[in-house]
Amino acid sequence: SQTIHQWPATLVQPVGSPLSLECTVEGTSNPNLYWYRQAAGRGLQLLFYSVGIGQISSEVPQNLSASRPQDRQFILSSKKLLLSDSGFYLCAWRPIAGRVYEQYFGPGTRLTVT
Amino acid sequence: GEDVEQSLFLSVREGDSSVINCTYTDSSSTYLYWYKQEPGAGLQLLTYIFSNMDMKQDQRLTVLLNKKDKHLSLRIADTQTGDSAIYFCAESTLSGGYNKLIFGAGTRLAVHP
Repeated sequence: SQTIHQWPATLVQPVGSPLSLECTVEGTSNPNLYWYRQAAGRGLQLLFYSVGIGQISSEVPQNLSASRPQDRQFILSSKKLLLSDSGFYLCAWRPIAGRVYEQYFGPGTRLTVT
Repeated sequence: GEDVEQSLFLSVREGDSSVINCTYTDSSSTYLYWYKQEPGAGLQLLTYIFSNMDMKQDQRLTVLLNKKDKHLSLRIADTQTGDSAIYFCAESTLSGGYNKLIFGAGTRLAVHP
């Protein structure tokens, strides 16, 4: 069966510090991968999606970047965090065969920028 | 542009039915989804409906789709305290040739005895 992991679960970082959040998927090949942010009491905002290694599309201009160094690894980064980067970051994956209309989410990383 | 709207809060008594409503704008959406988020957790896919269907039932969950009015609802029968969570409606849309989901802000369901 497929599983999705996110690391770390929680993070407190000062303004101006770098960021690296990791997402890995097991049990599937060449999934579509997504990064979302959920601000407190808000819906989900799609940040990035990837259809393959090294292929990243950005949905909104921002202080963040994403990379996909391996087929099932998706990384969200920042060189210098802003207060407004605080939120709940969710990684998601979607299969490219079979149940292609189902998108599954990881457990999330809660980021607090102080 | 794409937009999904939901009421923000719903309170029901345990054992009653809950109905969570959603409106969307993209008439070309192929699938519409309901996700559940418990406190501090990720989103759990509850169910989804293909746009050429009017209704889908899965145990206590019933999804109704009115494509003409772009209205989607989720009915939870015999609501339990474990159903307390935030429920997100989402529509699928194509952007740059890729499928993505547009989410509503979520409806917080509170179940009280």
